[in-house]
Amino acid sequence: DSGVTQTPKHLITATGQRVTLRCSPRSGDLSVYWYQQSLDQGLQFLIQYYNGEERAKGNILERFSAQQFPDLHSELNLSSLELGDSALYFCASSVPLTGVNTGELFFGEGSRLTVL
Amino acid sequence: GESVGLHLPTLSVQEGDNSIINCAYSNSASDYFIWYKQESGKGPQFIIDIRSNMDKRQGQRVTVLLNKTVKHLSLQIAATQPGDSAVYFCAENLVPMDTGRRALTFGSGTRLQVQP
Repeated sequence: DSGVTQTPKHLITATGQRVTLRCSPRSGDLSVYWYQQSLDQGLQFLIQYYNGEERAKGNILERFSAQQFPDLHSELNLSSLELGDSALYFCASSVPLTGVNTGELFFGEGSRLTVL
Repeated sequence: GESVGLHLPTLSVQEGDNSIINCAYSNSASDYFIWYKQESGKGPQFIIDIRSNMDKRQGQRVTVLLNKTVKHLSLQIAATQPGDSAVYFCAENLVPMDTGRRALTFGSGTRLQVQP
């Protein structure tokens, strides 16, 4: 158990709909990352938040948005869903940067989104 | 564009043999690398990391080798076990910044199949 919690684990919805995925990082972790993993594909970085502020943006579509709340949990909002948005969406968190540390990310179990 | 990639999509080995998973990177500024293991239905898990000032690092049954001359990274697993069956990703990152952490860029992954 990585300590990162994602909900829901599975979600089935229709094209054109909107969904929200939720992530609770490990206790004490300030950074949250969102990744998308399509079938048999690698992990595509979407966006990163650090202590409530957007820190880095990857290949995130304009239809997608995210935020990190004061309690550090994060939500990824996916709107106007298309068939191609079907994927596993992973959230990861990392330790605060104090002194020497690794780049290790702790991943949740993912939210599997199926768009029909 | 700069990317991290893998040579072989699937590697099949006999139980007890040593496994070698390869990864090529193209970002010459990359100075920190991580290997992750992803079992079916789970999020990626950290295996081992290496900084660019090293060319070899050993863990428990795993060794990572870095060849900066040819921008090549490899993961060696000794005495491969059925539990090692998973998809392995290499990822690159710049050395973490003080105020945040640059997101990891993942390769496309290699599936390791261990035959009993």
